[in-house]
Amino acid sequence: NAGVTQTPKFQVLKTGQSMTLQCAQDMNHEYMSWYRQDPGMGLRLIHYSVGAGITDQGEVPNGYNVSRSTTEDFPLRLLSAAPSQTSVYFCASSSLAGGYTGELFFGEGSRLTVL
Amino acid sequence: KQEVTQIPAALSVPEGENLVLNCSFTDSAIYNLQWFRQDPGKGLTSLLLIQSSQREQTSGRLNASLDKSSGRSTLYIAASQPGDSATYLCAPPPTDSWGKLQFGAGTQVVVTP
Repeated sequence: NAGVTQTPKFQVLKTGQSMTLQCAQDMNHEYMSWYRQDPGMGLRLIHYSVGAGITDQGEVPNGYNVSRSTTEDFPLRLLSAAPSQTSVYFCASSSLAGGYTGELFFGEGSRLTVL
Repeated sequence: KQEVTQIPAALSVPEGENLVLNCSFTDSAIYNLQWFRQDPGKGLTSLLLIQSSQREQTSGRLNASLDKSSGRSTLYIAASQPGDSATYLCAPPPTDSWGKLQFGAGTQVVVTP
């Protein structure tokens, strides 16, 4: 039972570098999302998707890109990393029952440090 | 935007005491509410999901109630154990912005042996 898998678990970047955080789920969930968690700020939504080819912005989308070419995968791209993007990133997924999200499943997180 | 408040922010109790964690939200037009647990350095784990038509949900020592009209949910943990030490978060997504789930800041619980 893999659930939601995030890679890498840890990453250190220099300012200006780009990278992709990977997220994959094996539960055939339509809904997938990315959050960042910072001390004192709680969980904040970056982007979300309700199916292949459909994405939308969350609360803090600037500096991040997403795409959803398959149901299983929802990668998060940092275009030009900045120290303000140092955070722990979580991917989550859910089925859509009755048109709304159901039980939300989270990955273990990816800890990113930007120097 | 859904505003979610969790009180208290932190709680420390001796083993065996019952825990009461509160979650209040501004937009009561929700379709469900979920309670999560987060251990340090880990992701969130779903504990209970209450549908908007339900008033409570139970799982083992955990019981969660939902009062949509007053915008409140309460998580009760009976006979606490040291293994219950974690941060507990709630998420009540409104029907008109259901994709943009907002989380409370959480209640940090410490249960001492």
